[in-house]
Amino acid sequence: GQQVMQIPQYQHVQEGEDFTTYCNSSTTLSNIQWYKQRPGGHPVFLIQLVKSGEVKKQKRLTFQFGEAKKNSSLHITATQTTDVGTYFCAGPRYGGSQGNLIFGKGTKLSVKP
Amino acid sequence: NAGVTQTPKFQVLKTGQSMTLQCAQDMNHEYMSWYRQDPGMGLRLIHYSVGAGITDQGEVPNGYNVSRSTTEDFPLRLLSAAPSQTSVYFCASSVTGTNQPQHFGDGTRLSIL
Repeated sequence: GQQVMQIPQYQHVQEGEDFTTYCNSSTTLSNIQWYKQRPGGHPVFLIQLVKSGEVKKQKRLTFQFGEAKKNSSLHITATQTTDVGTYFCAGPRYGGSQGNLIFGKGTKLSVKP
Repeated sequence: NAGVTQTPKFQVLKTGQSMTLQCAQDMNHEYMSWYRQDPGMGLRLIHYSVGAGITDQGEVPNGYNVSRSTTEDFPLRLLSAAPSQTSVYFCASSVTGTNQPQHFGDGTRLSIL
């Protein structure tokens, strides 16, 4: 069945280091979304990518959608303690109606001050 | 706007008991869904609704029922609680399908003894 995989599962960095998480889908996606979940919190929408090869930036965060629309990445430059949390990617689940997303298992980021 | 409101925030049940997790949104969103989150498993879709009166099964629907009598409310019913249903449950809503951000509630932390 359809799978969305994220690597790494965990990442520990020193504050100021860069961080990258990768998302790979078994199927071509019409769009991909990224969410951040702080410890004890709920997922919060960060961004959506739609176009092949699209790159979007939000301050220190850079999001990229692959040319084949099957993979994506999130890069954080110079991490801060406020970046701590789990980052999820999500794409449309085919065979279902709209509003039906399949999530990756997430990358949990910890930042040592 | 309150966004997506889930009640209760915490609940402890005994095996075999039934209960309803409440979810309400005030954003006039057509699409609502329920996810469960278990350690290392990411977010897994239980049931979803594309509008009032319409519901469908997600990835892990067994043991759960839903209904959508109004646009605002989307309750999740546990028919006969089992320890395997111990999890954090999130309700989410979006305007129109997988091309729109999902807005999550704060979650319900459910323990089944």
